[in-house]
Amino acid sequence: AQTVTQSQPEMSVQEAETVTLSCTYDTSESNYYLFWYKQPPSRQMILVIRQEAYKQQNATENRFSVNFQKAAKSFSLKISDSQLGDTAMYFCAFSAGAGSYQLTFGKGTKLSVIP
Amino acid sequence: GAVVSQHPSWVICKSGTSVKIECRSLDFQATTMFWYRQFPKQSLMLMATSNEGSKATYEQGVEKDKFLINHASLTLSTLTVTSAHPEDSSFYICSARDPMTSESSYEQYFGPGTRLTVT
Repeated sequence: AQTVTQSQPEMSVQEAETVTLSCTYDTSESNYYLFWYKQPPSRQMILVIRQEAYKQQNATENRFSVNFQKAAKSFSLKISDSQLGDTAMYFCAFSAGAGSYQLTFGKGTKLSVIP
Repeated sequence: GAVVSQHPSWVICKSGTSVKIECRSLDFQATTMFWYRQFPKQSLMLMATSNEGSKATYEQGVEKDKFLINHASLTLSTLTVTSAHPEDSSFYICSARDPMTSESSYEQYFGPGTRLTVT
């Protein structure tokens, strides 16, 4: 079974600064998918960024980027130029691929952006 | 595109009654939908996977007779909490995959959630 670990229950960052959220996972699969989802106070889950394991290049989406280390089974999220609207719970998630579409979530990191 | 709605967004029911939550894919046909439960300040816990036209697959520890799931069409899945008790109070979230896009991305699109309070 796959597991996803987020070791930082809470983090804070000053507005306009950069913050990195950590995520590690455990799997025996060779190809899989990793996601970061954001859950703001509205509780709507929003996809932030996605990474396919077979792609060596780290995914980027505007101010969001990942550091994917496949050998280390690490998938961290970097948020640059943090904005107040980035305040939310961030969940790392894993999908095994190969027709298994279920997501396994980490426990989440609560990020607070301080003005 | 890829919008998922849930209804109701908030419901209060009395202990012993049943309540139905609807999950709809508004602009795509969802062959697979998922139901999650989220306790306060905790992560999402997968309850079941719902495939259109077939029985749902429940995760270990989830009572299938208590949490009835029906996926009767490609755009609608329902979760019925039967004989609800206060311990069933929680935030329920559904998600759906769009086979046209999720085949390569494995992405799920989430509904806004339903807050259930059982008194």
